[in-house]
Amino acid sequence: EIVLTQSPATLSLSPGERATLSCGASQSVSSSYLAWYQQKPGLAPRLLIYDASSRATGIPDRFSGSGSGTDFTLTISRLEPEDFAVYYCQQYGSSPTITFGQGTRLEIK
Amino acid sequence: EVQLVQSGAEVKKPGESLKISCKGSGYSFTSYWIGWVRQMPGKGLEWMGIIYPGDSDTRYSPSFQGQVTISADKSISTAYLQWSSLKASDTAMYYCARGHPGIAEYYFDYWGQGTLVTVSS
Repeated sequence: EIVLTQSPATLSLSPGERATLSCGASQSVSSSYLAWYQQKPGLAPRLLIYDASSRATGIPDRFSGSGSGTDFTLTISRLEPEDFAVYYCQQYGSSPTITFGQGTRLEIK
Repeated sequence: EVQLVQSGAEVKKPGESLKISCKGSGYSFTSYWIGWVRQMPGKGLEWMGIIYPGDSDTRYSPSFQGQVTISADKSISTAYLQWSSLKASDTAMYYCARGHPGIAEYYFDYWGQGTLVTVSS
């Protein structure tokens, strides 16, 4: 099973700043099969990025994903008030076990 | 518009059985994998398993194999998650989500609103 470790656990930033969230895998993620989700309190997760760097439908271009192998990054170029939430990475290149990271909480400073 | 609508919150006692549902609309239900994800209180997301409603091909995470049963009724575009004997540790929010049309292990692009299951004596 591939273990995903997200860092930092909590990130405190102000609106307008740049956010960089990391997701490290215990072994290489096949074909860059890595996704990022955003979850706000009381709501279901929302797909942001798939295949490491492709934005999902309707996702603003301030969200971008990068990386390959064992190191992946989600970048939010300029934080908007609605971006403060918990972010999860997910790998789907390893069958039969799909795994999520433990999450990074992005909070307002 | 793609929608996944889940059944309402449940409160059960340990040892009871339960079946929760997820009804899909706005797309070809039989052509996409549907998965289930657990989120325990204050915790992260866990992939439980997935089903292809077209032929009921089902895959489970080793962590959930034997603990739950995933099924689907394509005639009513509904997927199910069921327990035969609930435990207090099954208390969680459960989400269904739509996967890929052809690959079982993939990302989820649409999610249900979640079903809260509370197991307490």
